[in-house]
Amino acid sequence: GAGVSQSPSNKVTEKGKDVELRCDPISGHTALYWYRQSLGQGLEFLIYFQGNSAPDKSGLPSDRFSAERTGGSVSTLTIQRTQQEDSAVYLCASSNRTYSNQPQHFGDGTRLSIL
Amino acid sequence: DAKTTQPTSMDCAEGRAANLPCNHSTISGNEYVYWYRQIHSQGPQYIIHGLKNNETNEMASLIITEDRKSSTLILPHATLRDTAVYYCIVRANTGNQFYFGTGTSLTVIP
Repeated sequence: GAGVSQSPSNKVTEKGKDVELRCDPISGHTALYWYRQSLGQGLEFLIYFQGNSAPDKSGLPSDRFSAERTGGSVSTLTIQRTQQEDSAVYLCASSNRTYSNQPQHFGDGTRLSIL
Repeated sequence: DAKTTQPTSMDCAEGRAANLPCNHSTISGNEYVYWYRQIHSQGPQYIIHGLKNNETNEMASLIITEDRKSSTLILPHATLRDTAVYYCIVRANTGNQFYFGTGTSLTVIP
């Protein structure tokens, strides 16, 4: 069965460029989450989508970060004018929010390197 | 969400049971205990979760004490592929994000 799929798996870009990271959640999962993990660190929550509700953007570190979720499925995380401190692994997770104790299932992430 | 405390690292002999402890003394009634693991260069992998009863699945068993202030994840027959960082997380059923701490780095030794 298909799990959470993220693309690209690796992205190298120059400082100041914009990047888009894609997440395909597990089919039927209504909740979608973005986290980032810096080298040797724990996971940092970024943003959460649940169905048609307004997203919880409380974890976004700056206005250079934004995310969309179209049609309640695929999500795109966009980072504008990238900085070197944006280098990290960006992880996406989804869950069946209908049952609120359900676990989140993670993709393998996009490793972003800013030169 | 309640804070969890785990040992920084543990070793286990291949083929033996790995018992990973977690303290969550401030857990409240609506908070579940979740276990994930993360193998290098991969995303966190869900293992198991429970509220108060012991749980078992194809990967592991979860033993929660009667007062729910601590729990143990048991991998019954550890293999080299079980070497990973194991995270114990406590989260309310009204919560959304998961708070990953530093976890326990488990090394399975041949």
